[in-house]
Amino acid sequence: DTAVSQTPKYLVTQMGNDKSIKCEQNLGHDTMYWYKQDSKKFLKIMFSYNNKELIINETVPNRFSPKSPDKAHLNLHINSLELGDSAVYFCASLKAEGNEQFFGPGTRLTVL
Amino acid sequence: DAKTTQPTSMDCAEGRAANLPCNHSTISGNEYVYWYRQIHSQGPQYIIHGLKNNETNEMASLIITEDRKSSTLILPHATLRDTAVYYCIVRRPGQGAQKLVFGQGTRLTINP
Repeated sequence: DTAVSQTPKYLVTQMGNDKSIKCEQNLGHDTMYWYKQDSKKFLKIMFSYNNKELIINETVPNRFSPKSPDKAHLNLHINSLELGDSAVYFCASLKAEGNEQFFGPGTRLTVL
Repeated sequence: DAKTTQPTSMDCAEGRAANLPCNHSTISGNEYVYWYRQIHSQGPQYIIHGLKNNETNEMASLIITEDRKSSTLILPHATLRDTAVYYCIVRRPGQGAQKLVFGQGTRLTINP
């Protein structure tokens, strides 16, 4: 059973387009995250939601808009895609009182 | 969160113990040491964490020095599948919605 799943796995698109990445976790966790891993392989937190409420926003451009329709889902919508948005995006989840974050398999976004 | 320093890369022979060091000289008394790893093209995976006592689980052992300024992750019998980037992270549980701040990590290569 997949704990944290993301779709799509690969996304290739043109500059200026709008795209969404979806994340679902079946662990019953309260907190979900989006991380970005750029071409230099640095992993950085972007957003965190707890029970559908935004709790972390790490100075991400407002072209990025996370949406949490329910506790099990955290989607990432990106408007007006730029070349610099090319990266691998990871979703993660966390139990409220736990220490271990579970990561999804990643979505490789390529902007041409 | 305290900063950590890790070697950029290490090699280890298959079947031998892999010992990955981490320096965290500015660690506070209530900060834990966490280890995650990222196998190529996959999401990060939790390995182990500890406060001041040595810890062991099915994946690895964590040895923390008495002054807590450094630690060593030990993979007792490394296999080719342990080739990955290993991240040492220091943080307080429950702090700041538990975002993980990843450094550059150590690229561990297990050689046959």
